[in-house]
Amino acid sequence: DTEVTQTPKHLVMGMTNKKSLKCEQHMGHRAMYWYKQKAKKPPELMFVYSYEKLSINESVPSRFSPECPNSSLLNLHLHALQPEDSALYLCASSWSPAGLAGEQETQYFGPGTRLLVL
Amino acid sequence: SQQGEEDPQALSIQEGENATMNCSYKTSINNLQWYRQNSGRGLVHLILIRSNEREKHSGRLRVTLDTSKKSSSLLITASRAADTASYFCATDAGGSSYKLIFGSGTRLLVRP
Repeated sequence: DTEVTQTPKHLVMGMTNKKSLKCEQHMGHRAMYWYKQKAKKPPELMFVYSYEKLSINESVPSRFSPECPNSSLLNLHLHALQPEDSALYLCASSWSPAGLAGEQETQYFGPGTRLLVL
Repeated sequence: SQQGEEDPQALSIQEGENATMNCSYKTSINNLQWYRQNSGRGLVHLILIRSNEREKHSGRLRVTLDTSKKSSSLLITASRAADTASYFCATDAGGSSYKLIFGSGTRLLVRP
């Protein structure tokens, strides 16, 4: 299984709602990532989990709260979002956060969750 | 901040023609990767080239890397309508880095 799955595909939420995005992989990868992508822009890294521990938080506002319950699952909890948070949220995984030589490895991406905040 | 800048930003070609996209980056790297993204979907890894490699091929794809100029190019030969997508280069930041930093992307349109 070489797939990263993400649910839901689409999400519409109000600014007072609480929702969660889910990401799953069964490739045995030990690094998982959340990215945010606005239209016609490249993905921007939000969080990196390495061996189920948060290793990078790219100064993301606290209204985004990541969680890694186990090595296959990654969640992103959303609360009190703003309309400017509307974007495509991508999850990715890789064998490890960095190779033996410290090099970045190939990342496998899910199809994304398109989020609209009203 | 973005590590890589790509040009052109957009490229429109006829099916069967070759497409060349360029990527420049700022810091030393361990490797450089190219990804494709179809219409707001997830990214698909195409090819990885290490800093000690100069050229790499995969099917109709040819990637070159010039570390002295901090640049890379992706050539797609004999393009097909199905190649229509956005293409991103991505680099680490050298050293031991958990981060993959994406370039600005090139939107390729292959006309049938």
